[in-house]
This record gives sequence, C-alpha cells and structure tokens, in this order.
Amino acid sequence: DIQMTQSPSSLSASVGDRVTITCRASQGINNYLAWYQQKPGKVPNLLIYAASTLQSGVPSRFSGSGSGTDFTLTISSLQPEDVATYYCQKYNSPPFTFGPGTKVEIK
Amino acid sequence: EVQLLESGGGLVQPGGSLRLSCAASGFAFSTYPMSWVRQAPGKGLEWVSGISGSGGSTYYADSVKGRFTISRDSSKSTLFLQMNSLRAEDTAVYYCAKTPLGNKAKYFFDYWGQGTPVTVSS
Repeated sequence: DIQMTQSPSSLSASVGDRVTITCRASQGINNYLAWYQQKPGKVPNLLIYAASTLQSGVPSRFSGSGSGTDFTLTISSLQPEDVATYYCQKYNSPPFTFGPGTKVEIK
Repeated sequence: EVQLLESGGGLVQPGGSLRLSCAASGFAFSTYPMSWVRQAPGKGLEWVSGISGSGGSTYYADSVKGRFTISRDSSKSTLFLQMNSLRAEDTAVYYCAKTPLGNKAKYFFDYWGQGTPVTVSS
C-alpha cells in the first residue's frame, strides 16, 4: 500500500506569515490528493481536492500544488482561525489513506 | 442541506459486536459513495471502509478486513457498519463521510457527520 507522510508534524508561526505544509506519497498518485482542516474538537473540513482545486467556500489564502509524489498546502497569510491540524489524503485507489497530520499554532 | 447523523456507538467488550448507522439527508443518497473514517483519541484520521453508490463495490482498510462489513439501504438513505470481533485498538470516534464524485472509486470527502464514539474495553 502507498504510505503518506507529512512535514513538519507541527509548526508555530505568526499571524500574517506564509505557511507551507508538505505531503509525500511513497508512490505516484497523479493529482489524487485532498487536504482537510480539523479545528480542535471539530469535524474535518475539506479544503482542497485534485491537489490544487479549492473547495467552495474555502478562503483564497489556502492553496495547493503538486503532482505525482510531492504536494504542498500553503496558507498565504496565517490567521488566528487557521489554528488546526491539517491532513492530506490520497484517493487514487483504495485504501484511501490519510497523512499523519500537521498541527499549526500561532506564535 | 446535506446532513449525516451517526448512531449506534457505545461501550463494548473485546470480541463483541456493534452496528453503526448513518442517516443521510439533503442529497441523492444512492448516487454517491460513502465511507466510514475513524479517529482514535488524540490521534489522526484513519479511513476504515467505503461503498459505492449502488452498493455493488466495497472497500476496507487492512486493519478491519474480515471483521467489519459496510452496507447501505437506499430506501432508507442509511449507511451501516457492522463491526465484529472488536479490539481495544478499534476504540475511536467513527465518522460517516460522503464522496462528491458519483461514478469513480476515488473517495475523498466533502461532508462529514458529527461522529459516534466507540469504546472497546472490559
């Protein structure tokens, strides 16, 4: 099975900073990659699918890129409401594995 | 408005069984694949099982294969997860989740339920 890794596992940044999270697949998955945000105590929320397509209603400061094995999620200007854990997920074929998550905090 | 409401969670002894349900509304239930995703306390997300819109195709994580069975009843717009031979490591909040693509085995999730907790302990 394809394994998903994320880096860093956690980060602390200031409001207004540009934040980048990396997700790597152990084998190529084309662009079948989704990103989710899970705020503390809340249900996961879809941010991006097809590696770079923004889900309706998601703020434009979120963006995704990549294809094959290497992907990034970028928050262009970190806001206090972005405190959350972010997960990538591959969906080219089952099993539809999630990455281990990246916890984002405000410095 | 899409709504997913899970039920059936609870405390069960190791080796026991539990059946989870997810009542769906606000969309054409039989058109879309559905999945169960779980989250152990303080841990990340784990996809557990998925089923096509017709119910004709089912998929499982290796960790639950042979113990869990996913099914759906389109007449009741309800998704099920039958969990047998439960283990302590199955303890988690179980979410049902909807896939936005109707005709491909490519499951990501645009709507999630609030989850139902399952605790496996003696």
